[in-house]
Amino acid sequence: DAGITQSPRYKITETGRQVTLMCHQTWSHSYMFWYRQDLGHGLRLIYYSAAADITDKGEVPDGYVVSRSKTENFPLTLESATRSQTSVYFCASSSGTGVQFFGPGTRLTVL
Amino acid sequence: AQSVTQLDSQVPVFEEAPVELRCNYSSSVSVYLFWYVQYPNQGLQLLLKYLSGSTLVESINGFEAEFNKSQTSFHLRKPSVHISDTAEYFCAVSEAAGNKLTFGGGTRVLVKP
Repeated sequence: DAGITQSPRYKITETGRQVTLMCHQTWSHSYMFWYRQDLGHGLRLIYYSAAADITDKGEVPDGYVVSRSKTENFPLTLESATRSQTSVYFCASSSGTGVQFFGPGTRLTVL
Repeated sequence: AQSVTQLDSQVPVFEEAPVELRCNYSSSVSVYLFWYVQYPNQGLQLLLKYLSGSTLVESINGFEAEFNKSQTSFHLRKPSVHISDTAEYFCAVSEAAGNKLTFGGGTRVLVKP
C-alpha cells in the first residue's frame, strides 16, 4: 500500500562525494521519472525511464546517472556532488496515461 | 519543444474569495494538460487533468480549469477558497503521444483569513 517511496528523505553530503537517491514504486508502472525542484525553476526533468533497462535524458541530466534493472526501482546517483546540486528531488511514476504520481521528495544539501 | 508559463508567481487571496491561476503553454503538437498541487513539505498531487473531450474539467474539491486551444491556455479557478487551499500550484503539459511532463514555474497561493 506504500505507492511510491523515496529514501532518504533528507541528506547532507560534501562536495565530491557520491550520493544515491532511491525510488521505489509498488504499482508496476512502466514509466519512472526524476525531477529536481529549485526556487524560480519549478520542476525540471533529470532522467526518465520507459521500462526496465530503458532510460533517457531529460532537461538537466549532467552530473547524474540512473539505472533501472527492476521495474519497481529507479535510483538516481550523483557521481561527484556539487553545490549546484543542492535541491529537492522528486521521483514519479506513471502507467503511460500521462498522469504521474509523485513521491514525497528527498531534500539534498551539498556542502 | 514545449514550454509552460505561469504568469503569477504568488497570489495572495482572502478566504472565501475567488482565485484564478493563469497558465499558458506552447507546443507544436496536441497536448495533455494538468494542474498539480504541492502542500508544504510534500510531493505533488494531481488536481485535475485535460486529456480530451469537454474543455471544462473539475476537481473534487471545487477547482475547475478550462482548456482554450485558440489561446493556448489552461487557467485554474476556484469560486471560493479555503485556508486549506494554501499551497503551490503547478501547471504541466505533455505531448498527447508521449509521457514526459513540462512544468511551469509554479504559483504560490496564500489564503488569508
